[in-house]
Amino acid sequence: KAGVTQTPRYLIKTRGQQVTLSCSPISGHRSVSWYQQTPGQGLQFLFEYFSETQRNKGNFPGRFSGRQFSNSRSEMNVSTLELGDSALYLCASSLNAETNYGYTFGSGTRLTVV
Amino acid sequence: DQQVKQNSPSLSVQEGRISILNCDYTNSMFDYFLWYKKYPAEGPTFLISISSIKDKNEDGRFTVFLNKSAKHLSLHIVPSQPGDSAVYFCAASGSGAGSYQLTFGKGTKLSVIP
Repeated sequence: KAGVTQTPRYLIKTRGQQVTLSCSPISGHRSVSWYQQTPGQGLQFLFEYFSETQRNKGNFPGRFSGRQFSNSRSEMNVSTLELGDSALYLCASSLNAETNYGYTFGSGTRLTVV
Repeated sequence: DQQVKQNSPSLSVQEGRISILNCDYTNSMFDYFLWYKKYPAEGPTFLISISSIKDKNEDGRFTVFLNKSAKHLSLHIVPSQPGDSAVYFCAASGSGAGSYQLTFGKGTKLSVIP
Protein backbone atom coordinates (compact mmCIF):
# COMPACT_ATOMS: atom_id res chain seq x y z
CA LYS A 1 0.00 0.00 0.00
CA ALA A 2 1.11 3.57 -0.57
CA GLY A 3 3.01 5.22 2.26
CA VAL A 4 2.74 8.70 3.67
CA THR A 5 3.25 11.25 0.90
CA GLN A 6 4.59 14.70 1.58
CA THR A 7 4.78 17.46 -0.98
CA PRO A 8 6.84 19.25 -1.97
CA ARG A 9 10.09 17.48 -1.08
CA TYR A 10 12.16 20.64 -1.16
CA LEU A 11 11.24 24.28 -0.80
CA ILE A 12 13.17 27.54 -0.67
CA LYS A 13 11.42 30.60 0.69
CA THR A 14 12.39 34.12 1.62
CA ARG A 15 12.18 35.46 5.15
CA GLY A 16 8.77 36.99 5.77
CA GLN A 17 6.94 34.82 3.27
CA GLN A 18 4.49 32.10 4.16
CA VAL A 19 4.51 28.44 3.16
CA THR A 20 2.06 25.56 3.01
CA LEU A 21 3.15 21.94 3.22
CA SER A 22 0.96 18.97 2.36
CA CYS A 23 0.67 15.46 3.76
CA SER A 24 -1.40 12.56 2.45
CA PRO A 25 -1.62 9.78 5.05
CA ILE A 26 -1.80 6.07 4.46
CA SER A 27 -5.25 5.07 3.26
CA GLY A 28 -7.47 4.42 6.27
CA HIS A 29 -5.29 6.33 8.70
CA ARG A 30 -7.20 9.10 10.39
CA SER A 31 -4.51 10.61 12.59
CA VAL A 32 -1.86 12.91 11.17
CA SER A 33 0.96 14.40 13.21
CA TRP A 34 3.59 16.93 12.23
CA TYR A 35 7.15 17.16 13.50
CA GLN A 36 9.98 19.58 12.91
CA GLN A 37 13.52 18.23 12.70
CA THR A 38 16.50 20.51 13.12
CA PRO A 39 20.14 19.58 13.82
CA GLY A 40 20.13 21.33 17.18
CA GLN A 41 16.74 20.28 18.54
CA GLY A 42 16.08 16.89 16.98
CA LEU A 43 12.45 16.03 16.23
CA GLN A 44 9.90 18.24 17.92
CA PHE A 45 6.15 17.74 17.92
CA LEU A 46 4.11 20.43 16.20
CA PHE A 47 0.51 19.19 16.29
CA GLU A 48 -1.76 16.22 15.76
CA TYR A 49 -5.07 16.01 13.93
CA PHE A 50 -7.77 13.40 14.00
CA SER A 51 -11.04 13.61 12.09
CA GLU A 52 -10.35 17.25 11.19
CA THR A 53 -9.81 18.22 14.84
CA GLN A 54 -6.56 19.30 16.41
CA ARG A 55 -6.16 17.13 19.49
CA ASN A 56 -2.72 18.17 20.65
CA LYS A 57 -0.30 20.99 19.98
CA GLY A 58 3.37 21.35 20.71
CA ASN A 59 5.22 24.36 21.97
CA PHE A 60 5.49 26.37 18.77
CA PRO A 61 4.44 29.96 18.08
CA GLY A 62 1.10 30.77 16.48
CA ARG A 63 2.83 31.28 13.12
CA PHE A 64 2.66 27.51 12.81
CA SER A 65 -0.80 26.22 12.05
CA GLY A 66 -2.39 23.23 10.42
CA ARG A 67 -5.60 21.66 9.33
CA GLN A 68 -6.98 18.34 8.28
CA PHE A 69 -9.53 17.68 5.57
CA SER A 70 -12.37 15.18 5.52
CA ASN A 71 -10.22 12.76 3.48
CA SER A 72 -7.59 12.90 6.27
CA ARG A 73 -5.11 14.81 4.15
CA SER A 74 -3.40 17.50 6.17
CA GLU A 75 -1.66 20.76 5.54
CA MET A 76 0.55 22.85 7.74
CA ASN A 77 1.19 26.52 7.24
CA VAL A 78 4.00 28.70 8.49
CA SER A 79 3.50 32.44 8.19
CA THR A 80 6.07 35.22 8.38
CA LEU A 81 8.96 32.82 7.87
CA GLU A 82 12.11 33.24 9.92
CA LEU A 83 15.58 31.89 9.19
CA GLY A 84 15.20 29.55 12.15
CA ASP A 85 12.24 27.85 10.49
CA SER A 86 14.64 26.12 8.12
CA ALA A 87 14.16 22.46 8.92
CA LEU A 88 12.90 19.11 7.76
CA TYR A 89 9.16 18.92 8.36
CA LEU A 90 7.90 15.40 8.85
CA CYS A 91 4.36 14.14 8.75
CA ALA A 92 3.32 10.86 10.34
CA SER A 93 0.06 8.98 10.12
CA SER A 94 -1.54 6.29 12.20
CA LEU A 95 -4.95 4.73 12.63
CA ASN A 96 -5.67 6.66 15.80
CA ALA A 97 -2.34 7.98 17.12
CA GLU A 98 -1.98 4.80 19.13
CA THR A 99 1.72 5.10 19.64
CA ASN A 100 2.10 1.46 20.58
CA TYR A 101 1.65 0.68 16.91
CA GLY A 102 4.12 3.33 15.94
CA TYR A 103 3.60 6.06 13.45
CA THR A 104 4.49 5.79 9.76
CA PHE A 105 6.48 8.80 8.69
CA GLY A 106 6.72 10.41 5.30
CA SER A 107 10.05 11.40 3.78
CA GLY A 108 9.57 15.00 4.80
CA THR A 109 9.68 18.43 3.24
CA ARG A 110 13.02 20.18 3.46
CA LEU A 111 12.30 23.90 3.94
CA THR A 112 15.10 26.42 3.54
CA VAL A 113 14.44 30.03 4.49
CA VAL A 114 16.85 32.57 3.02
CA ASP B 1 14.22 20.95 29.22
CA GLN B 2 15.00 17.80 27.35
CA GLN B 3 12.78 14.98 28.55
CA VAL B 4 14.40 12.30 26.38
CA LYS B 5 18.16 12.31 26.13
CA GLN B 6 20.53 10.42 23.91
CA ASN B 7 23.90 11.44 25.24
CA SER B 8 26.01 9.85 22.52
CA PRO B 9 25.72 11.73 19.24
CA SER B 10 27.63 9.01 17.43
CA LEU B 11 28.79 5.42 17.77
CA SER B 12 31.11 3.30 15.64
CA VAL B 13 31.01 -0.50 15.79
CA GLN B 14 32.69 -3.25 13.83
CA GLU B 15 30.51 -5.45 11.68
CA GLY B 16 29.38 -8.56 13.56
CA ARG B 17 29.81 -6.98 16.99
CA ILE B 18 27.09 -5.69 19.30
CA SER B 19 25.82 -2.11 19.03
CA ILE B 20 24.36 -0.61 22.20
CA LEU B 21 22.46 2.65 21.95
CA ASN B 22 21.36 4.34 25.14
CA CYS B 23 18.53 6.64 26.07
CA ASP B 24 17.52 8.35 29.32
CA TYR B 25 14.25 10.04 30.17
CA THR B 26 13.10 12.31 32.95
CA ASN B 27 9.31 12.28 32.72
CA SER B 28 7.90 9.53 34.94
CA MET B 29 4.57 9.79 33.07
CA PHE B 30 6.09 8.19 29.99
CA ASP B 31 4.90 4.62 29.72
CA TYR B 32 5.69 3.63 26.16
CA PHE B 33 9.04 3.79 24.44
CA LEU B 34 9.99 3.39 20.81
CA TRP B 35 13.10 3.30 18.67
CA TYR B 36 13.16 4.73 15.18
CA LYS B 37 15.84 4.42 12.53
CA LYS B 38 16.44 7.16 10.01
CA TYR B 39 18.43 7.18 6.79
CA PRO B 40 19.36 10.48 5.11
CA ALA B 41 16.59 11.97 2.97
CA GLU B 42 14.04 9.54 4.39
CA GLY B 43 11.55 9.72 7.24
CA PRO B 44 12.12 7.78 10.47
CA THR B 45 11.15 4.12 10.35
CA PHE B 46 9.67 2.37 13.37
CA LEU B 47 12.02 -0.29 14.68
CA ILE B 48 10.90 -1.67 18.02
CA SER B 49 8.95 -0.58 21.07
CA ILE B 50 8.46 -1.51 24.70
CA SER B 51 5.74 -0.90 27.23
CA SER B 52 6.61 0.21 30.73
CA ILE B 53 5.17 -3.03 32.12
CA LYS B 54 7.98 -4.96 30.46
CA ASP B 55 11.72 -4.82 30.85
CA LYS B 56 12.72 -6.46 27.58
CA ASN B 57 11.40 -6.84 24.06
CA GLU B 58 13.08 -8.70 21.22
CA ASP B 59 12.60 -8.64 17.49
CA GLY B 60 15.20 -10.55 15.53
CA ARG B 61 18.57 -8.86 15.89
CA PHE B 62 17.05 -5.98 17.88
CA THR B 63 16.40 -6.01 21.63
CA VAL B 64 15.23 -3.13 23.75
CA PHE B 65 15.79 -3.11 27.50
CA LEU B 66 13.94 -0.85 29.90
CA ASN B 67 15.06 0.01 33.44
CA LYS B 68 12.17 2.03 34.88
CA SER B 69 13.82 2.77 38.20
CA ALA B 70 16.81 4.30 36.41
CA LYS B 71 14.63 5.85 33.69
CA HIS B 72 16.92 4.31 31.14
CA LEU B 73 16.47 2.24 28.03
CA SER B 74 18.86 0.74 25.57
CA LEU B 75 18.73 -0.78 22.11
CA HIS B 76 20.99 -3.74 21.37
CA ILE B 77 21.72 -4.78 17.81
CA VAL B 78 23.38 -8.17 17.45
CA PRO B 79 25.13 -8.81 15.16
CA SER B 80 25.60 -5.36 13.69
CA GLN B 81 25.54 -5.08 9.91
CA PRO B 82 26.69 -2.27 7.59
CA GLY B 83 23.07 -1.69 6.58
CA ASP B 84 22.34 -0.75 10.19
CA SER B 85 24.33 2.45 9.72
CA ALA B 86 21.78 5.21 10.30
CA VAL B 87 20.60 7.67 12.91
CA TYR B 88 18.63 6.05 15.72
CA PHE B 89 16.05 8.01 17.65
CA CYS B 90 14.63 7.07 21.00
CA ALA B 91 11.06 8.28 21.59
CA ALA B 92 8.60 8.19 24.45
CA SER B 93 4.90 8.73 24.96
CA GLY B 94 2.36 8.78 27.73
CA SER B 95 -1.08 7.20 27.55
CA GLY B 96 -4.62 8.42 27.61
CA ALA B 97 -6.22 11.52 26.19
CA GLY B 98 -3.81 14.30 25.33
CA SER B 99 -0.88 11.96 24.86
CA TYR B 100 -1.05 11.96 21.09
CA GLN B 101 2.57 12.82 20.59
CA LEU B 102 6.05 11.39 20.73
CA THR B 103 8.90 13.06 22.54
CA PHE B 104 12.15 12.30 20.76
CA GLY B 105 15.78 12.32 21.74
CA LYS B 106 18.24 14.07 19.44
CA GLY B 107 19.47 10.83 17.93
CA THR B 108 22.62 8.73 17.80
CA LYS B 109 24.40 8.20 14.50
CA LEU B 110 25.51 4.58 14.27
CA SER B 111 28.29 3.65 11.86
CA VAL B 112 28.91 -0.05 11.33
CA ILE B 113 32.35 -0.59 9.88
CA PRO B 114 32.77 -3.57 7.50
